[in-house]
Amino acid sequence: AQTVTQSQPEMSVQEAETVTLSCTYDTSESNYYLFWYKQPPSRQMILVIRQEAYKQQNATENRFSVNFQKAAKSFSLKISDSQLGDTAMYFCAFMKQVGAQKLVFGQGTRLTINP
Amino acid sequence: GAVVSQHPSRVICKSGTSVKIECRSLDFQATTMFWYRQFPKKSLMLMATSNEGSKATYEQGVEKDKFLINHASLTLSTLTVTSAHPEDSSFYICSASKLAGGQTQYFGPGTRLLVL
Repeated sequence: AQTVTQSQPEMSVQEAETVTLSCTYDTSESNYYLFWYKQPPSRQMILVIRQEAYKQQNATENRFSVNFQKAAKSFSLKISDSQLGDTAMYFCAFMKQVGAQKLVFGQGTRLTINP
Repeated sequence: GAVVSQHPSRVICKSGTSVKIECRSLDFQATTMFWYRQFPKKSLMLMATSNEGSKATYEQGVEKDKFLINHASLTLSTLTVTSAHPEDSSFYICSASKLAGGQTQYFGPGTRLLVL
C-alpha cells in the first residue's frame, strides 16, 4: 500500500517570503502521479500542481514549483513570493498510474502567511 | 474549466433520518466520482469510488448499507446517509475525474452534515 507523509503539521512565514513544504511517499510502483492540493478556510480543495513520475522535469505553475526526487521518493512544494491568499491547508497526494484512480493523501500542512 | 458542485452545502437532520447529498460535474463528463469524509483538522478519507452505471466500490471499513452511492449519469453522483446518527456528522466532499485524460480529480465545495 502507498503512504504519503507530510512531516510539517504547521508552518508560518511572512508575506513575500519563500516557503517549502515537504512530502515523502512510499510506493513500489514505477509510474504514478503526485499532486499538491490546497484547502483554504472555505474548505474547497484546489489543485495547485501535478507531476507525472515519468517526467524528470519539475512541474511549475506561476509561483508554485516542485522538487521531485524520484529515487528519494520526495515531492516538496515551493511557494515563491508568498501572498496572504496562500494561507491554507496543503495536502500532498499520490495516485497510481494503473488501476483505480484513488488519491492517497498526506496528513496536511497548515500554512499561514503573515502580513 | 472543471467545476464540481455539491448540494446542499450544509444540512442538519435528526437522528434516524436519511440525508441525500448530490455531486454534479457542471462542465465536463465524469467517468469516475469519489466520495471523501473529512474530520476537523484532518486529512481526507476516501469512502468510495463510483463509476457511472455500476456499483460503487467501498473502502475497507465503510458500511455500504449506511452510505448508499448512486452514479446515475456522467454528471451526477449521490451519497445517501441512511439512518443517520450523531457520529455520522462530518464534512463530506466529492470529486470527479474527466472522461478523457482524467487523472486529476476536481473537488466539490463539500457538505457539512450535522446529525442531532
